[in-house]
Amino acid sequence: DIQMTQSPSSLSASVGDRVTITCRASQSITSYLNWYQQKPGEAPKLLIYAASTLQSGVPSRFSASGSGTDFTLTISSLQPEDFATYYCQESYGSLRTFGQGTRVEI
Amino acid sequence: QVQLQQWGAGLLKPSETLSLTCAVYGGSLSNYNWSWVRQPPGKGLEWIGEINDSGSTNYNPSLKSRVTISVDTSKKQFSLRLSSVTAADTAVYFCARGDTSGYYEIPYFSYWGRGTPVTVSS
Repeated sequence: DIQMTQSPSSLSASVGDRVTITCRASQSITSYLNWYQQKPGEAPKLLIYAASTLQSGVPSRFSASGSGTDFTLTISSLQPEDFATYYCQESYGSLRTFGQGTRVEI
Repeated sequence: QVQLQQWGAGLLKPSETLSLTCAVYGGSLSNYNWSWVRQPPGKGLEWIGEINDSGSTNYNPSLKSRVTISVDTSKKQFSLRLSSVTAADTAVYFCARGDTSGYYEIPYFSYWGRGTPVTVSS
């Protein structure tokens, strides 16, 4: 089974900060990597699919890169509505495994 | 705009069967995979399984012996049944649409239901 490890588990940041979250897969997953944002009490929301493709309607301050085993999600200028938990998810294996999440706090 | 509306019993006793349904509005059931994902309180996300409009299923092996996902194309609905529930099955259950991207058909979850909290307690 593919394991997904995110770092950090949580971070504190201020409005306007540049934030980077990393996700590492236990084996190569090429570009089979997606990113989601989840706010308390809500369903996850797709931000990025296929490692670097921005989902329609998602602000351009979100970007992502990587391939193989190492991936990053970057928020170029953190906005108040971006305080949430972010999950990576592999879709290479049969389990669609999610990372443990990164909580972005004020 | 695609919307997924889900419903089902929210309080179960141990050994009972969890039953949830998700209806698809504003889009077709065809040419997509339809998944269930759950999230225990304060924890991360776990994929349960998926079905396509032809009824072909894939399940998480850790739950496979207890899970059945079915589809009713005439109603544009798909359902989850999880038997012999225990407290470990307490979670918010989400339904989601699976899309694919590009030549390699990279899967991702594009639309999600709002979630149904399910508690298992005696």
